[in-house]
Amino acid sequence: GQNIDQPTEMTATEGAIVQINCTYQTSGFNGLFWYQQHAGEAPTFLSYNVLDGLEEKGRFSSFLSRSKGYSYLLLKELQMKDSASYLCAVRARGYIPTFGRGTSLIVHP
Amino acid sequence: DTGVSQNPRHKITKRGQNVTFRCDPISEHNRLYWYRQTLGQGPEFLTYFQNEAQLEKSRLLSDRFSAERPKGSFSTLEIQRTEQGDSAMYLCASSLESRDRYGYTFGSGTRLTVV
Repeated sequence: GQNIDQPTEMTATEGAIVQINCTYQTSGFNGLFWYQQHAGEAPTFLSYNVLDGLEEKGRFSSFLSRSKGYSYLLLKELQMKDSASYLCAVRARGYIPTFGRGTSLIVHP
Repeated sequence: DTGVSQNPRHKITKRGQNVTFRCDPISEHNRLYWYRQTLGQGPEFLTYFQNEAQLEKSRLLSDRFSAERPKGSFSTLEIQRTEQGDSAMYLCASSLESRDRYGYTFGSGTRLTVV
């Protein structure tokens, strides 16, 4: 099985930078995804990492260290609309991502 | 393309009744997934299709649950003899085999309430 750990909740200020961590234990690692989910809505894809390093996409970046079983999602220039749940999902052997519980991010003025 | 479509958006049913949900994936996507999500939790995997073949089922999927994807296009998820513990958001996602880095596209979900 897989074990995925994320903080339950984080708060940050509009305009700031926030880092959301995800640690995982799995065998046969085959990719890590980050999704954003606003309350009552479907998850939307943010990023995908399969090799070590940083992937940058606009205000959002995602980092992966396979040897440490660790990833983070970095959000810059926070906006109020970034208040949402951020889900880390790990894919092991096969094609099925397993999701963590998600980190609820609250952005305040 | 309108994305992944799920119907109905909401369903309220009495305990013991059967319910069926439908998912229409993105047309060129050959992989289709069903997940269940409860409040404060991440989505939990239920089952996965590649084209019309159901290739994997979670142990969460009891014998009251059945899913089909008869022509490799839309899929249905049926729950028989519903229980209150079945109340959740049922999410469908689809993907294209060769485009992992673009992730999985989720539908808006069907929220089931069993009373």
